[in-house]
Amino acid sequence: SQKIEQNSEALNIQEGKTATLTCNYTNYSPAYLQWYRQDPGRGPVFLLLIRENEKEKRKERLKVTFDTTLKQSLFHITASQPADSATYLCALRGDTGRRALTFGSGTRLQVQP
Amino acid sequence: DAGVIQSPRHEVTEMGQEVTLRCKPISGHDYLFWYRQTMMRGLELLIYFNNNVPIDDSGMPEDRFSAKMPNASFSNLKIQPSEPRDSAVYFCASSWAGGRSTEAFFGQGTRLTVV
Repeated sequence: SQKIEQNSEALNIQEGKTATLTCNYTNYSPAYLQWYRQDPGRGPVFLLLIRENEKEKRKERLKVTFDTTLKQSLFHITASQPADSATYLCALRGDTGRRALTFGSGTRLQVQP
Repeated sequence: DAGVIQSPRHEVTEMGQEVTLRCKPISGHDYLFWYRQTMMRGLELLIYFNNNVPIDDSGMPEDRFSAKMPNASFSNLKIQPSEPRDSAVYFCASSWAGGRSTEAFFGQGTRLTVV
C-alpha cells in the first residue's frame, strides 16, 4: 500500500541551528513532492515544490532535497528562528492523473530561543 | 483575493443532528478538495471536484457524508446524522490546473465537535 512517513516525534532545536525534517514514501512514483507549514488552528500553507528531475530546491532559508532512488525528501531550515516553530507536512500526488494530494502526518518543529 | 473561505469556524452539535460545512474557493480555481484532520489519522482526503464535478469520493467515510458543488463559487459538506467520531477539523482547499506548482490553498478550517 502507499505510505508517506514523517517522524511523528517533535523536533526540538536551538535558535540559529539547522533543522532537518524527513519524508519517506513507499509505492509512489511522484512527479513532484510538496512541503507545507501548518500553525495551530490554521490550514496548511504551501512552502516549496520539488520535481523528480530536481535534486535540490532553495527558497530563502529553506532547502529541500529529493532522492527518488531512496524515496526520500529532506527539508532543511537554516539559521532557525522561534517563528519557524510549526508542524511541517510533506505531500504527494497519488496515482497518475489523480489531482489530489496525500499528506504525511507531519513533524512538529520547536525552535528554542 | 481573500483566499479560501470556510464557515463556520467552529460548530458544536448534538449527535444525530445534521451538520453543514461551507466553502468558497479562490476565484478562478477549478479544483476543490475537502480534507478532514484528526490527531490519529492526520489529514485525509474526503472528496474532490474539478469544474464542479465530483471526481473522487472514495475518501468519504460512509453514506452519512455528502458533498456538493452547485457552482464554481461554493461547495458544502453535509453530515447527516452526525456522530461523535465525526469530530475533527474539516478543511477545504482549492487549486488551479493551469498553475505549474499545483499547490493547494487551504481555508482556515471548521472545527466540528459532536457531543
